[in-house]
Amino acid sequence: QKEVEQNSGPLSVPEGAIASLNCTYSDRVSQSFFWYRQYSGKSPELIMSIYSNGDKEDGRFTAQLNKASQYVSLLIRDSQPSDSATYLCAVKRDSGAGSYQLTFGKGTKLSVIP
Amino acid sequence: DGGITQSPKYLFRKEGQNVTLSCEQNLNHDAMYWYRQDPGQGLRLIYYSQIVNDFQKGDIAEGYSVSREKKESFPLTVTSAQKNPTAFYLCASRELAGVNNEQFFGPGTRLTVL
Repeated sequence: QKEVEQNSGPLSVPEGAIASLNCTYSDRVSQSFFWYRQYSGKSPELIMSIYSNGDKEDGRFTAQLNKASQYVSLLIRDSQPSDSATYLCAVKRDSGAGSYQLTFGKGTKLSVIP
Repeated sequence: DGGITQSPKYLFRKEGQNVTLSCEQNLNHDAMYWYRQDPGQGLRLIYYSQIVNDFQKGDIAEGYSVSREKKESFPLTVTSAQKNPTAFYLCASRELAGVNNEQFFGPGTRLTVL
C-alpha cells in the first residue's frame, strides 16, 4: 500500500509568520504532487501542484519537492487567519491507460493566531 | 456557471436502506471520482470512471455501487452492505487529456446513518 504521511498537527503560527507543512511519500516512482486546502465542513480546493524537483511559487505559497528524499512541502508566507484550515497532500499514482488516482495524506491542521 | 454539484448536502439514512448520492458536472470532464472522508482522515477512493459506461473500483468499493450513463453524471449508491456509511462523500472530476490535469471537487454530501 502506497502511503502519504503528514503531521496531523495542529500547527499554530502567529499572523505574519511563515507556516511550513511537510509531506513524505513511499512510492519512489511518484511524479506529481498536489496540495489542497480544506476549510472545516467544506470540500478540498486545489492550491498548488508540483512536478519537478525544486521550488514552485504562487503568491504567498511555495511548494518544494525533493524526489530523492521523497519529500514535498508547502510554505505559506505572511500567514493570515484566513489560512487556518487543514492542508492535504496528494500524490499521483498511475493506473494505466492514461488514468491516475490520487493518494491523500490525512492532512495537517493549521491555525494562524491573530 | 461551470462546476461540480452534489446533492443533497445532508442525507440521513436508516440502517438497511440504500441511498443514492448525486454528482453532476458541466465542465465537460471525462474522468469522475468518488471519495469518502472520515473525521481526521484523508480522502479514500471508492470508485472512478474515465468514460461513459465504464468505471473502476477504488480502494474501498465494498458496499458501494456506481453508474456512468452520461458524461456529466456519476451517481453513487451506498448500499445496506456498507457497514459504516456515516461519512463525508466527495465527488471530483478532471479532464482526461493531459498527463497531470488536476482533480477538482464538488461541495460534498454528508451522510449520517440513524
